[in-house]
Parts: sequence; structure tokens; C-alpha cells
Amino acid sequence: EIVLTQSPGTLSLSPGERATLSCRASQSVSSSYLAWYQQKPGQAPRLLIYGASSRATGIPDRFSGSGSGTDFTLTISRLEPEDFAVYYCQQSGKTFGQGTKVEIK
Amino acid sequence: QLQLQESGPGLVKPSETLSLTCTVSGGSISTSSYYWGWIRQPPGKGLEWIGSIYYNGNTYYNPSLKSRVTISVDTSRNQFSLKLISVTAADTAVYYCARRVGVATSLYYYYFMDVWGKGTTVTVSS
Repeated sequence: EIVLTQSPGTLSLSPGERATLSCRASQSVSSSYLAWYQQKPGQAPRLLIYGASSRATGIPDRFSGSGSGTDFTLTISRLEPEDFAVYYCQQSGKTFGQGTKVEIK
Repeated sequence: QLQLQESGPGLVKPSETLSLTCTVSGGSISTSSYYWGWIRQPPGKGLEWIGSIYYNGNTYYNPSLKSRVTISVDTSRNQFSLKLISVTAADTAVYYCARRVGVATSLYYYYFMDVWGKGTTVTVSS
């Protein structure tokens, strides 16, 4: 069973700053199987990125994904107020990482 | 526009069975390339994948829950369901249903969950 480990647990940043979130797999994962989600309090998760780097429909281009093998990254180029949330990676539409909270500094 | 809606009891007693249904509207559950899944989130914690089902009944489950979980599908009603037996307080969570896409291109196979229900809170307590 593949385990996904996200880091850091919490990221404290100001609006306009760049956010870099990491997702590490316990064994190699096909990049096409890696997705990222955003979740705000009281809401269901929302798909941001699939196939490690493809943005889902309607997702702003300040969100980008990269990586391969065991190391994947979600980057938010300039944080907007609405981007402060929890972010999860997922492999193969199954296992999730434990999440990274992006909070306002 | 595809929508998913969870339904079921909000309170379940310890040792009993948790039963939830997800109703799919705006599209057919019997569509190739789509699995239908359950995910849960305990209070203040992260997401945990429970399992998924294809319209023909093929299922796969999280190994940590497999002994207690059954997911079934009713294509005539455009619904799929979750049963979790022998529940404890640790099963208290928001339960989500979602569509899992499995789509092939010429080079790759992609998997992700693109449509989610709003979630339903289930509390296990006597």
C-alpha cells in the first residue's frame, strides 16, 4: 500500500507570497495517478490538479503541479485570500496524504 | 451538471451498522471510465478513502477497512451505498461520496475524483 506524506503540516504565508507544498510517496507513483485537492472549512474537497500537472476545469493558472516518481509539488504562485485552505494529494483516486494547511501569517 | 447527494442516519449506536446512500443526478452511474467512491473525514482530521465501485459491481476497498465495509450499486435507482459494520466512536466522521475518473489517453491512464457530494455527518454514540 502506497503511503503519501505531505510537508509541511502548516504553511504560514501572507497574501501575494508563493506557496510550495510537497507530497512524497513511499514508492514510485505514475505521475498520471497523482492529484491535488483544496478543501475549505465546511466544504467538500475540490479537484485542483490531476496527472500531477494538469489543472482541472476552472482552476486559476496561479496553481501549478509538478513532479515524478516519489516527489510531487503543488505551487501557488501568488496567494490570494481565497487560497488559504487545506491541500491534499491523492494517488490513483485512492490514498490521500495527511494534508497541508496554508494559513495567513 | 452531475450532482451527488449523500443520505442516511446521522446517529448510529456503537457496534451497529452504518448505512449511507449516494444518489447520482444529472448523469448515469452506468458510464464507463467512472468508479463511484466513498471517503470520510473525522472531525479535525484528514481525508480517508474507504472504497470504490464500478457500475458492474466491481469493488475495491481500503485494506484497513476492508473487513467491515461493503459498497453496492443500484443502477436502476442511479445510487450506490456504503455499509460499515461494528462501528465505534472512531467511525464518527463526515462521509463524502465522489466520482472517481479513470480515463485513458494514448500514453497515460489518469485517476482522480472530480465531483463530490457535500458530505453527511455521522456520529457514533449511544
